[in-house]
Amino acid sequence: EAGVVQSPRYKIIEKKQPVAFWCNPISGHNTLYWYRQNLGQGPELLIRYENEEAVDDSQLPKDRFSAERLKGVDSTLKIQPAELGDSAVYLCASSLGRTGGQETQYFGPGTRLLVL
Amino acid sequence: KQEVTQIPAALSVPEGENLVLNCSFTDSAIYNLQWFRQDPGKGLTSLLLIQSSQREQTSGRLNASLDKSSGRSTLYIAASQPGDSATYLCAVNQAGTALIFGKGTTLSVSS
Repeated sequence: EAGVVQSPRYKIIEKKQPVAFWCNPISGHNTLYWYRQNLGQGPELLIRYENEEAVDDSQLPKDRFSAERLKGVDSTLKIQPAELGDSAVYLCASSLGRTGGQETQYFGPGTRLLVL
Repeated sequence: KQEVTQIPAALSVPEGENLVLNCSFTDSAIYNLQWFRQDPGKGLTSLLLIQSSQREQTSGRLNASLDKSSGRSTLYIAASQPGDSATYLCAVNQAGTALIFGKGTTLSVSS
């Protein structure tokens, strides 16, 4: 069974440029999460989807970040414009979503973003 | 606000030693607790998930315990190997939403 797929794996951009990350969750997983992990820290949630609906985006900096999950499968996270402080690892995770979020979350390899 | 703390931040042990990693959380109203492993430059790999009604879970050389009332969990690694070297993250699931993570314990096992 394929795991969570993310692309690109690495991205280097200059500040004020836009950037987008893509995630394909495990087949059949209804819940999709985007986390951000700063160096030396644990991941922190940016947004959570149940199918195509964003049910928790309270930690998403909406002035520059946007996300979508069309058809309840793949998801894209966008930053426009990027700032130096956005340099981090962006992790996508998925879970079945049938037990109210109590099941195991499976993580992708992450996208490492460096903003210069 | 839920806070998760992991102690120690780093640990170095010789191969073959048994070791314990600690995790504490401030709000005992959790659905479950999950332990992850993260290798340098990689994503997170789930090791063990303990539901709030459970006391422990075992997988191979790993054993995780949960004392919800005191807000503590431990990850016990038996007979450590160099391949166990990684960062271990503890995370709690509160109200069935996103995970809240600690900062991790970086383990180094020398041969």
